[in-house]
Amino acid sequence: NAGVTQTPKFQVLKTGQSMTLQCAQDMNHEYMSWYRQDPGMGLRLIHYSVGAGITDQGEVPNGYNVSRSTTEDFPLRLLSAAPSQTSVYFCASSRRQGLYEQYFGPGTRLTVT
Amino acid sequence: QQQVKQSPQSLIVQKGGISIINCAYENTAFDYFPWYQQFPGKGPALLIAIRPDVSEKKEGRFTISFNKSAKQFSLHIMDSQPGDSATYFCAASIRIQGAQKLVFGQGTRLTINP
Repeated sequence: NAGVTQTPKFQVLKTGQSMTLQCAQDMNHEYMSWYRQDPGMGLRLIHYSVGAGITDQGEVPNGYNVSRSTTEDFPLRLLSAAPSQTSVYFCASSRRQGLYEQYFGPGTRLTVT
Repeated sequence: QQQVKQSPQSLIVQKGGISIINCAYENTAFDYFPWYQQFPGKGPALLIAIRPDVSEKKEGRFTISFNKSAKQFSLHIMDSQPGDSATYFCAASIRIQGAQKLVFGQGTRLTINP
């Protein structure tokens, strides 16, 4: 099993550009989520999904969109990048019955200039 | 109310010493308290977790102490080793609007000096 994979590993964007961060898992987990990690602020939930076709907002959803057409994939779209979105982004997945045990991907380091 | 407050922000411990990281919460609806370990350039990984009806859980050199009345829990790393140098996050699980969510503390960067 590859676990949770994320691409790209690094990305530099200019203000106003859009892009999609890819996330995939091969563990057949129902629950998937996106977090951003900023110094001194821990991991903050952006969006999450409890299954294919079902998504909802987390703590910091503004400026991001998600969709979940399959169990395996959960892409995160930045609509119009802003410098405040410079961060490290982590995708995670878990079984619905064991949410506290989340499996994280390796992260995408995004810089917006 | 959904926050988890973690301290200290950074910690330096000598090899062989005890590392202690503390977390506090307000919301009594939290129902599980995991700790995650993150090495540089990697995603966080579950280290150890505890239910609120248990006061202590030990796995090897890692122990969670849980004080329900004080709404506090802590991670103790005994005989700390340089390989334990990492960032540690406490977290708490809660069900909100029918969905289970994980709320993370701010993180503690632990350095073990050889």
